[in-house]
Amino acid sequence: ELKVEQNPLFLSMQEGKNYTIYCNYSTTSDRLYWYRQDPGKSLESLFVLLSNGAVKQEGRLMASLDTKARLSTLHITAAVHDLSATYFCAVEWGSGTYKYIFGTGTRLKVLA
Amino acid sequence: KAGVTQTPRYLIKTRGQQVTLSCSPISGHRSVSWYQQTPGQGLQFLFEYFSETQRNKGNFPGRFSGRQFSNSRSEMNVSTLELGDSALYLCATKDSPNNEQFFGPGTRLTVL
Repeated sequence: ELKVEQNPLFLSMQEGKNYTIYCNYSTTSDRLYWYRQDPGKSLESLFVLLSNGAVKQEGRLMASLDTKARLSTLHITAAVHDLSATYFCAVEWGSGTYKYIFGTGTRLKVLA
Repeated sequence: KAGVTQTPRYLIKTRGQQVTLSCSPISGHRSVSWYQQTPGQGLQFLFEYFSETQRNKGNFPGRFSGRQFSNSRSEMNVSTLELGDSALYLCATKDSPNNEQFFGPGTRLTVL
């Protein structure tokens, strides 16, 4: 079965710094999603990446997908405190019918 | 357009009891998926229903079951509750197989 790994699991960074979260998956898939979760809350959709080479940007976040390398990245530019949350990638996987397999999550803390 | 709603939001049960959780999808969404989120296991897929039929199933014991009604509302049932069933249960809905899914606020289940 598909395995999805994220790293790092925890990330503490200073405001204004840049960093990248990595999402590796073990089996071919062309669909990858990034979500944000605040403590005690549900998942908020950030990006939908549907093809190799897809790049999406929203504010200080940019996500990309390399299906050949089975890798997606979520890049944070000039972090601000409001970005503190847990970020999940999810890979859509299956044959005929599909299910989402989630990564372990990356807990991001941006320090003022 | 109203979002995904889940009821109840919080629930406390004791071991051995059973529980039913409800999910009302976004209008027009016929696919409903259920997930269990725990600190130890992360986000795990339970099952997906589409047009009243279970289309996909994760690796959970038979104590976990679900159904979907003709109006696309879905219920999830857990029988003979165990302490390890304490979790945040999230449902997510989408309007077609190829589109992204949107998550509800979740039901926080505590088993004592």
